[in-house]
Amino acid sequence: QVQLKESGPGLVQPSETLSLTCTVSGFSLTSYGVNWVRQPPGKGLEWMGTIWNDGSTDYNSALKSRLSISRDTSKSQVFLKMNSLQTEDTAIYLCARRGFAYWGQGTLVTVSS
Amino acid sequence: DIQMTQSPSSLPASLGDRVTITCRASQDIGNYLRWFQQKPGKSPRLMIYGATNLAAGVPSRFSGSRSGSDYSLTINSLESEDMAIYYCLQHNEYPYTFGAGTKLELK
Repeated sequence: QVQLKESGPGLVQPSETLSLTCTVSGFSLTSYGVNWVRQPPGKGLEWMGTIWNDGSTDYNSALKSRLSISRDTSKSQVFLKMNSLQTEDTAIYLCARRGFAYWGQGTLVTVSS
Repeated sequence: DIQMTQSPSSLPASLGDRVTITCRASQDIGNYLRWFQQKPGKSPRLMIYGATNLAAGVPSRFSGSRSGSDYSLTINSLESEDMAIYYCLQHNEYPYTFGAGTKLELK
């Protein structure tokens, strides 16, 4: 069955870089794209970007200068890197397969010193 | 960016009620509109895609409709398990944008 699971550090220092991994199973990254979405605690959802099945990417313009999404198809993993983190980047980070029918459980990232 | 204006932000309702949540798009998005349900501590669940199509496994009391730039999610005969926050998402143009959410709660 289709599964996605996010992993990464729970705590990041301000101004540092966030690195997250979305490990997928039940489908191939060369057939389906993966989105990253985030949700600050108690707030709404924000689309961050997508890596498509051909490896191309699209980013939210509000984050584009800080954000990078890549993948390792052999490991069925999608990576998110975002630099210059601030406290307002504290959120649950989720990955979702193209179409948004399948989501990971999310991982909480807290930006704090 | 396309703004999705979602209303109401809060919707008190009783079991058995028929309720409607609306998102208005600031630009044409065609039928590139999805609806999600999110319960506390859970990831969003896809309910409607293509503005009017029921996602797999979603009860038939849920339906989606479109009138011009207004997109609606209707729940007929509300059940306790429907209490959640509902979000719309436009995926016609980058950046994809979500509505601010509607909290459906028991009156």
